[in-house]
Amino acid sequence: KQEVTQIPAALSVPEGENLVLNCSFTDSAIYNLQWFRQDPGKGLTSLLLIQSSQREQTSGRLNASLDKSSGRSTLYIAASQPGDSATYLCAVSGGYNKLIFGAGTRLAVHP
Amino acid sequence: EAGVTQFPSHSVIEKGQTVTLRCDPISGHDNLYWYRRVMGKEIKFLLHFVKESKQDESGMPNNRFLAERTGGTYSTLKVQPAELEDSGVYFCASSLTVVDGELFFGEGSRLTVL
Repeated sequence: KQEVTQIPAALSVPEGENLVLNCSFTDSAIYNLQWFRQDPGKGLTSLLLIQSSQREQTSGRLNASLDKSSGRSTLYIAASQPGDSATYLCAVSGGYNKLIFGAGTRLAVHP
Repeated sequence: EAGVTQFPSHSVIEKGQTVTLRCDPISGHDNLYWYRRVMGKEIKFLLHFVKESKQDESGMPNNRFLAERTGGTYSTLKVQPAELEDSGVYFCASSLTVVDGELFFGEGSRLTVL
């Protein structure tokens, strides 16, 4: 049974720091991995989608890597800003977009 | 282009009552998914429609939950009768293809059962 773990559960950093969020999964047989952002009371916004054949994806200040064999992904946020404060969710797909989510990392970036 | 829309945004009902949640996917998206997060837990898959057919309903918790997608457009998720443990946020998502790709989520419907 696939399990997804995110570390840390919460993170508070000063503005401008570079930071890394970690995601691990127990079964390497995945189709893809997605990172989402969720603001309080809002839906999920897809940040980056990495297919199983890919190693990383980049969008602006965000970079996500995938090491399928070791069951790990990292989300790197460069030069963090207060507007980056949100919960970041990692999810893996075992097929047909049936996602298994981690519990998330709550990020607070203070000025 | 409109995103995935869900209604209501918040519903408060008594235990034993019925609630119906509605989801309108992005136009043209044949694939529609329901997920939910109950208090303190991760978001979990409930079911997947391809057009009007249920592709996978393995995540539906019990027979008090009924999902429909008449005509392959919008979908409803009915909970009857509601129990306290059904409280949580119900998310709908849609995607263009069955082959794994980007999922677009709605803002969720928060259900509170008293």
